[in-house]
Amino acid sequence: DQQVKQNSPSLSVQEGRISILNCDYTNSMFDYFLWYKKYPAEGPTFLISISSIKDKNEDGRFTVFLNKSAKHLSLHIVPSQPGDSAVYFCAASSAGGTSYGKLTFGQGTILTVHP
Amino acid sequence: DVKVTQSSRYLVKRTGEKVFLECVQDMDHENMFWYRQDPGLGLRLIYFSYDVKMKEKGDIPEGYSVSREKKERFSLILESASTNQTSMYLCASSSDTSGSSYEQYFGPGTRLTVT
Repeated sequence: DQQVKQNSPSLSVQEGRISILNCDYTNSMFDYFLWYKKYPAEGPTFLISISSIKDKNEDGRFTVFLNKSAKHLSLHIVPSQPGDSAVYFCAASSAGGTSYGKLTFGQGTILTVHP
Repeated sequence: DVKVTQSSRYLVKRTGEKVFLECVQDMDHENMFWYRQDPGLGLRLIYFSYDVKMKEKGDIPEGYSVSREKKERFSLILESASTNQTSMYLCASSSDTSGSSYEQYFGPGTRLTVT
């Protein structure tokens, strides 16, 4: 039962254009969402997050949008750069005494930005 | 800067061998996690620990065990390695005092091949 889904295995974008990565979730108890970026042979690194009390969070070129009614979030990268080429993972968590900060990850989307 | 280190970057083991993967974090984090990453499946949680000597099963604990004797160290043990345990293994840690950020910090990963 995949509670967090990234339905696009890959995305190819031209440098300077917008990249939009999508993520859907099924568990309505999730209240915090994160995006991680992973280069080959390295561990994932945190990129940006959003709480369920917000619908948008921005950090430089990166913006995350949350649509709770649709259980959908997206990551926008503008403008895209070749160095953004990586695997992007969406992750979700729920508050609660026994969650211990557990994250549920999606399958990942491989982003390729062409010069 | 949070640092999570893993004992090996690459490991090759034979079927039936007992395998130890070590993870050390230097930020006094309460929570530590072991994931495996496989193409098309994303990151799947094997086990996690929220305190010394405390452990909880994740989504795919079968064939694995863990040990946390000291706060900074979390070990993953493959009791009898099998070829279907060939994967990238990622360790992560997070703090209980980080509020609601849920951010996890990852090590560089261990690429394990079981032949």
